[in-house]
Amino acid sequence: DSGVTQTPKHLITATGQRVTLRCSPRSGDLSVYWYQQSLDQGLQFLIQYYNGEERAKGNILERFSAQQFPDLHSELNLSSLELGDSALYFCASSVVTGRTEAFFGQGTRLTVV
Amino acid sequence: AQKITQTQPGMFVQEKEAVTLDCTYDTSDPSYGLFWYKQPSSGEMIFLIYQGSYDQQNATEGRYSLNFQKARKSANLVISASQLGDSAMYFCAMRPEGGKLIFGQGTELSVKP
Repeated sequence: DSGVTQTPKHLITATGQRVTLRCSPRSGDLSVYWYQQSLDQGLQFLIQYYNGEERAKGNILERFSAQQFPDLHSELNLSSLELGDSALYFCASSVVTGRTEAFFGQGTRLTVV
Repeated sequence: AQKITQTQPGMFVQEKEAVTLDCTYDTSDPSYGLFWYKQPSSGEMIFLIYQGSYDQQNATEGRYSLNFQKARKSANLVISASQLGDSAMYFCAMRPEGGKLIFGQGTELSVKP
């Protein structure tokens, strides 16, 4: 158990809908990262938050947004869903510096039908 | 540009033998961390081993060791005494100080009985 909790584990929804993925980081970790893993794109970095503020942005679509709350949990909102958004979405957390491990949650498998 | 390269899409190893998974990286940051993760077919990302850019000795964690050659910018993972349960995707990743985790494309390892 990595200590990072993601909910839900599985999600099936229709095109055009909106979903929210939730992540609770490990106790004490201030930094949260979101990744998308699809078969053709590999692991793609979406966005990073540190202590409530956006720290870095990757290949995140405008239809997607995220935030980190004062209690440090984070949510990734995906809207106007398309079939191509079907993927495994990971959250990871770490102490902010580069010289520490980042631990991943078990992921949310999103299927858009 | 920061980049991780894993040149072996797939590898086979006989049970109980050692195997080396290759990873090269590119960064201009002086401080960074190097990581290896294992992703079994169940999908979760399991942290295996970490090496800091200033660490003088190669990291080891049980049967895993990281062969860190800074001048060559390589961070190969060595798995000793392979087990059937080691069959999985293995990802090399790098994180500069405070930055995002950058992943390679992964190597699929199959352990033969």
